[in-house]
Amino acid sequence: DVKVTQSSRYLVKRTGEKVFLECVQDMDHENMFWYRQDPGLGLRLIYFSYDVKMKEKGDIPEGYSVSREKKERFSLILESASTNQTSMYLCASSPTGGTGYTFGSGTRLTVV
Amino acid sequence: AQKITQTQPGMFVQEKEAVTLDCTYDTSDQSYGLFWYKQPSSGEMIFLIYQGSYDEQNATEGRYSLNFQKARKSANLVISASQLGDSAMYFCAMTTYSGAGSYQLTFGKGTKLSVIP
Repeated sequence: DVKVTQSSRYLVKRTGEKVFLECVQDMDHENMFWYRQDPGLGLRLIYFSYDVKMKEKGDIPEGYSVSREKKERFSLILESASTNQTSMYLCASSPTGGTGYTFGSGTRLTVV
Repeated sequence: AQKITQTQPGMFVQEKEAVTLDCTYDTSDQSYGLFWYKQPSSGEMIFLIYQGSYDEQNATEGRYSLNFQKARKSANLVISASQLGDSAMYFCAMTTYSGAGSYQLTFGKGTKLSVIP
């Protein structure tokens, strides 16, 4: 069964901490994505990557960075967590071609 | 920039009735794809149906069909014979080419569907 795995389901961090959200896929997909989901706002794209070491900004990249050192792993980094980054974070992957997106089960991050 | 609009924040439907969830999109690309996803309270994103911009026939998957009207830029989801398990958030999404072989998937804000027994 193909999978996108997010390392944590729930996470509580303090303001100012550096936070790493990890995502691993086992489908050999080229593309990986990070979204945040907030009530009434839907899913908004933070960053995506179409190849190892390549990254592109999405619609709301401010306050975030990403790392993709290996094809299967895409990390989202909050350099200095703030309370307005409290949200549900979803990772997804897809092959080239724009179809076949697979989502992880999400990480609910609370910054206190 | 690509944009997806879902104008219905919430919808109610009687069990066994059909329901239409609205979605309009805006893009200047000629090639794009349209998706519908279901998100139950557990939070997982479940793929329902896909329509390519060059597909001439409306997509269908079991009880789900996509009413694709290209000239009006609409891609409404029709669920026939609603079931209690259909209660969930539904998201319309569009994928467009971003360059270097990559496609960006953009979502609407979602519609919360509640099925009444």
